[in-house]
Amino acid sequence: EVVMTQSPATLSVSPGERATLSCRASQSVITSLAWYQQKPGQAPSLLIYNASTRATGIPARVSGSGSGTEFTLTISSLQSEDFAVFYCQQYNAWPLTFGGGTKVEIK
Amino acid sequence: EVQLVESGGDLVQPGGSLRLSCVASGFSFSIYWMSWVRQAPGKGLEWVGGIKKDGSEKYYMDSLKGRFTISRDNAKNSVYLQMSSLRVEDTAVYYCARGIYPWSYWGKGTTVTVFS
Repeated sequence: EVVMTQSPATLSVSPGERATLSCRASQSVITSLAWYQQKPGQAPSLLIYNASTRATGIPARVSGSGSGTEFTLTISSLQSEDFAVFYCQQYNAWPLTFGGGTKVEIK
Repeated sequence: EVQLVESGGDLVQPGGSLRLSCVASGFSFSIYWMSWVRQAPGKGLEWVGGIKKDGSEKYYMDSLKGRFTISRDNAKNSVYLQMSSLRVEDTAVYYCARGIYPWSYWGKGTTVTVFS
């Protein structure tokens, strides 16, 4: 199966600063990659799909990039509602797999 | 408005069985794949499996080894997860989600606790 590795595990960022999250796949997933945000006690919500396409209603400060095995989620200016756990997920091959998550916390 | 409502979560002993349900509304259920995703307490997300719109194809995570079965009833706008031979490590919140991937719509989840 494709193993997804996210780094760092925890990212401490001040409001207004940029956050850069990484996701690495154990083999190429082309651009079949999504990012989700999850807040405590809530279901995940889709941010990015096809590596770089923002989901409906996602602001432009959130962007995704990458292809093959290396992917990045960038939030250009963190707002209070952005502090959460973020997961990447590949859908290029069965079984579908998630990364372990990156927690973005307030510095 | 798209809504997915899971139910059926419970406390169960190892080796037991449970059937989870997910009722959909606000969209044409029969034209969408449906999926189940779980999350163990304090852990990350784990895809469980998915079922094609007419039920003719199903995919599962490898480690389930046939213990879980996904089915659907398009007349009832419902998808099910039949779980058997439950283990402590199956303890999780189970979410249903619309589509095979990626998932824009999720339910709020139902909690399964397997305790010895």
